[in-house]
Amino acid sequence: DVKVTQSSRYLVKRTGEKVFLECVQDMDHENMFWYRQDPGLGLRLIYFSYDVKMKEKGDIPEGYSVSREKKERFSLILESASTNQTSMYLCASSLTGDPYEQYFGPGTRLTVT
Amino acid sequence: GQQLNQSPQSMFIQEGEDVSMNCTSSSIFNTWLWYKQDPGEGPVLLIALYKAGELTSNGRLTAQFGITRKDSFLNISASIPSDVGIYFCAGLPHQAGTALIFGKGTTLSVSS
Repeated sequence: DVKVTQSSRYLVKRTGEKVFLECVQDMDHENMFWYRQDPGLGLRLIYFSYDVKMKEKGDIPEGYSVSREKKERFSLILESASTNQTSMYLCASSLTGDPYEQYFGPGTRLTVT
Repeated sequence: GQQLNQSPQSMFIQEGEDVSMNCTSSSIFNTWLWYKQDPGEGPVLLIALYKAGELTSNGRLTAQFGITRKDSFLNISASIPSDVGIYFCAGLPHQAGTALIFGKGTTLSVSS
């Protein structure tokens, strides 16, 4: 079974703090993704990576950065957390090419106060 | 950007009823995926479709890849309380890279 794990299920941070969200997958997938999920807005892509040290902006990259130093690990960084970044953050991974099935981690519920 | 229109937004049904939901787009898609998300968890892949007209089942769930390649349908037969959750469609647009487009989800409530 594909396993995608995220470092924390729940996280509470203060405005202005630097926040790291970690994601690890164990299936040797080339692609990894970070989404945020908010009620009524569905899943929105923040960043994705198709290879080590490679990254592409998604639909809402502002206020976020990412790091992929190893194939199995993809980190999302909030340089200076703000209250409007309170959300559920989901990591996913997939192989390159057919099939394009993405497998998700359990999510991190981040609250910024 | 490209969008998927998923409907209905929410459904309230009785246990034992059948459920239908769909996703439509103005663009052609090469792949359709259906996910279910339980409260507080990440989405779990239910069914993947790769060919126009394809009909695939997973237990009580059946999904179809529309022949126009612009839509997909998910049916759940004889619903049970554990079917509660949010169902998402996702598609890979034609002439696109790796990033899926997601619908906004259908929230299903089942009363026993």
